[in-house]
Amino acid sequence: RKEVEQDPGPFNVPEGATVAFNCTYSNSASQSFFWYRQDCRKEPKLLMSVYSSGNEDGRFTAQLNRASQYISLLIRDSKLSDSATYLCVVTSWQQNQGGKLIFGQGTELSVKP
Amino acid sequence: DADVTQTPRNRITKTGKRIMLECSQTKGHDRMYWYRQDPGLGLRLIYYSFDVKDINKGEISDGYSVSRQAQAKFSLSLESAIPNQTALYFCATRGPGAASYNEQFFGPGTRLTVL
Repeated sequence: RKEVEQDPGPFNVPEGATVAFNCTYSNSASQSFFWYRQDCRKEPKLLMSVYSSGNEDGRFTAQLNRASQYISLLIRDSKLSDSATYLCVVTSWQQNQGGKLIFGQGTELSVKP
Repeated sequence: DADVTQTPRNRITKTGKRIMLECSQTKGHDRMYWYRQDPGLGLRLIYYSFDVKDINKGEISDGYSVSRQAQAKFSLSLESAIPNQTALYFCATRGPGAASYNEQFFGPGTRLTVL
């Protein structure tokens, strides 16, 4: 079983749609959680961190459920520019491990006109 | 100018050849990482370094070696390239401190093809 699992998609949605991505992680010691965005095989870039209380950044809302080991990302009012691959990322602080990032395989989103 | 640069950006080589991928950063970060990305597998950690005297293996270090020549430079070598090392390679940096919320910053990637 992979440490971080995502539905690979692709998700094809019309502009203006709301789309939700789910992610599960297997290591209960995981401490930090992120969503990264990757455009067309370019480098990943941090989209947002995910906090236990849930957090929102404009049209993006991230949720964390530690009991279920589940992370989600909700995108409202999708734009063409949201088309990308969204990577679920977790990290556990282990001594001398430096907060190693564990990546899901990514979920591809395509927003159509 | 980009904070994290990688050279070369694209490379085609033959089985058995030695190849070096280079990474430089101007962010002043102490932590540097090398990942590879394969379709359907996500990014996987090859090696990481906390400073010039601290090198650690990641989950897939076999067939690779690294050198931290300076705080700003971290090189990845394939001593004898094989076709299943064909992948997209990313270098990343992270700032100091214990806060695991610290963001990692990625270079633009090197697309390596081993024939």
